[in-house]
Amino acid sequence: SQQGEEDPQALSIQEGENATMNCSYKTSINNLQWYRQNSGRGLVHLILIRSNEREKHSGRLRVTLDTSKKSSSLLITASRAADTASYFCATDAGDMRFGAGTRLTVKP
Amino acid sequence: DGGITQSPKYLFRKEGQNVTLSCEQNLNHDAMYWYRQDPGQGLRLIYYSQIVNDFQKGDIAEGYSVSREKKESFPLTVTSAQKNPTAFYLCASSVQIGLAGVGEQFFGPGTRLTVL
Repeated sequence: SQQGEEDPQALSIQEGENATMNCSYKTSINNLQWYRQNSGRGLVHLILIRSNEREKHSGRLRVTLDTSKKSSSLLITASRAADTASYFCATDAGDMRFGAGTRLTVKP
Repeated sequence: DGGITQSPKYLFRKEGQNVTLSCEQNLNHDAMYWYRQDPGQGLRLIYYSQIVNDFQKGDIAEGYSVSREKKESFPLTVTSAQKNPTAFYLCASSVQIGLAGVGEQFFGPGTRLTVL
């Protein structure tokens, strides 16, 4: 079963705008991770946030985690056309479970 | 270069045949995983292994088998019992990070399996 559920399923924005993707999950977790996938490729790790952390930054990425609501968000600031990809959250509850992903399109 | 490799990139199979997908890593990771991805969908866990000679079923293990005889290798066999095997298969490896669980997963480039 999918552990994480991303929202929205698809997002289309203009270059320079911010993109926010949300992830909800069902069980207690050790950590939550965000990945990016370009079409037909393997996934690339973006950021890991532990269950005792609330916010984490990496370059233009900002991830938040609310364990009381069992939710996380990924914010990409000042988006670029090269950010066009699918983004997945993955939860570690002893093994790794991925959501269905958000398909982000950034228009130049 | 350190990394994780999968072969072949494309694989065609006739119905009723077993096929084996290769996954090798030289990252010295203990844990390895197999996922299946269908078009426009997320990843579903088939099998995972946290240590040599041990592995556990994921959510969709039926019709698949694995072995973990070496730390570096985690081959996946798609058997004729898998009713709808056409999909994109991804292998990953990771370290365990103690109480914080599974660390960053490193993914291979994937194998696209098509059943004719």
